[in-house]
Amino acid sequence: EAGVTQSPTHLIKTRGQQATLRCSPISGHTSVYWYQQALGLGLQFLLWYDEGEERNRGNFPPRFSGRQFPNYSSELNVNALELEDSALYLCASIPTGGLTEAFFGQGTRLTVV
Amino acid sequence: SQQGEEDPQALSIQEGENATMNCSYKTSINNLQWYRQNSGRGLVHLILIRSNEREKHSGRLRVTLDTSKKSSSLLITASRAADTASYFCATDPGNYKLTFGKGTLLTVNP
Repeated sequence: EAGVTQSPTHLIKTRGQQATLRCSPISGHTSVYWYQQALGLGLQFLLWYDEGEERNRGNFPPRFSGRQFPNYSSELNVNALELEDSALYLCASIPTGGLTEAFFGQGTRLTVV
Repeated sequence: SQQGEEDPQALSIQEGENATMNCSYKTSINNLQWYRQNSGRGLVHLILIRSNEREKHSGRLRVTLDTSKKSSSLLITASRAADTASYFCATDPGNYKLTFGKGTLLTVNP
């Protein structure tokens, strides 16, 4: 069974540009979580999607947005990139029906220069 | 804001020793989970303990939960160099917002 896949692995953008990060959950999982992990810090909750809907979001500005597609894959968009957006972005998927074990992808390392 | 806070921030031990990490949280929870992260990559789930459980074992891992003190501990026995990683606790306060602490960096020296 394939795990959670994220693409790209690394992404380098210039300040002010837009970044798009993608996540494919484990087959059968309908919930996708996005987290930001800046260097040396813990995971900051960004967004939670379930069944195609945004269910909850963390304390991030509106330029952080995303969506979930009918096949449950998800996209995170970051507009008007700032230097402090440089971080590891992690996606996790969870089976339908409850918050149990979260399965993480390997992350996308976003560097804003 | 962080729901869970791990303590200590960093821990260095010798191979074969036991490692204990603690987690404190702020609100009532449905369950508490521990994860491991190697070299800044994806997290791997280690163990989940529900709010009505007090202790749980999995291999060399032992987790305790004290809901009255809003705290949990993770014990790794007979540590190995391969256990070197960051360890995070994560809590579900019941709104499906799985929230992580800042982690404990464990270094196991050969």
